[in-house]
Amino acid sequence: LAKTTQPISMDSYEGQEVNITCSHNNIATNDYITWYQQFPSQGPRFIIQGYKTKVTNEVASLFIPADRKSSTLSLPRVSLSDTAVYYCLVGDYGGATNKLIFGTGTLLAVQP
Amino acid sequence: GAVVSQHPSRVICKSGTSVKIECRSLDFQATTMFWYRQFPKQSLMLMATSNEGSKATYEQGVEKDKFLINHASLTLSTLTVTSAHPEDSSFYICSAEGRQGDSSGAFFGQGTRLTVV
Repeated sequence: LAKTTQPISMDSYEGQEVNITCSHNNIATNDYITWYQQFPSQGPRFIIQGYKTKVTNEVASLFIPADRKSSTLSLPRVSLSDTAVYYCLVGDYGGATNKLIFGTGTLLAVQP
Repeated sequence: GAVVSQHPSRVICKSGTSVKIECRSLDFQATTMFWYRQFPKQSLMLMATSNEGSKATYEQGVEKDKFLINHASLTLSTLTVTSAHPEDSSFYICSAEGRQGDSSGAFFGQGTRLTVV
């Protein structure tokens, strides 16, 4: 099982770009990397998913180096409403032995 | 994106009673569902993994006779907390794994806040 390591917390200001890096040194060949956002008393919400290189959608970008041992979630121009906990997970979706284990997550606090 | 509906969102029950939480994948078939619990200011802790039509696999330290999981169809899994006690009060979250359109992976319900009094 790939274990993930993230910073416990990060601070930012409105309008800034925020980059959150996750380490997953034991990632397996079939594992994908997925990032989730969680607000208090809500279930995690899917943000973005990737396997290698760069993925971009309407809310974020995900950068994955060639060795795939880490990934960086990039949030452009954050706002106060982006204050949340962000989790990166690695898993072989659909794999027979897949289990989704959460790490500590990163608490992002966006200030005015 | 894929939608997972969890019900109820909030429940208060008396100590000693049982509570059932439902998790439905609304627009995709979920071959695998996960159940988590989360205490305040902590991360999600995986309780069990269930595959449709087979027995759930419980994580170490999770009592299978206390937390009954049924995954009877590809769109529904239930978690029953039996003989609930105040220490079972927590936030329970389900996740369904599958594919919907171009999206694949695990999609989460909105969670159930269980309070045992």
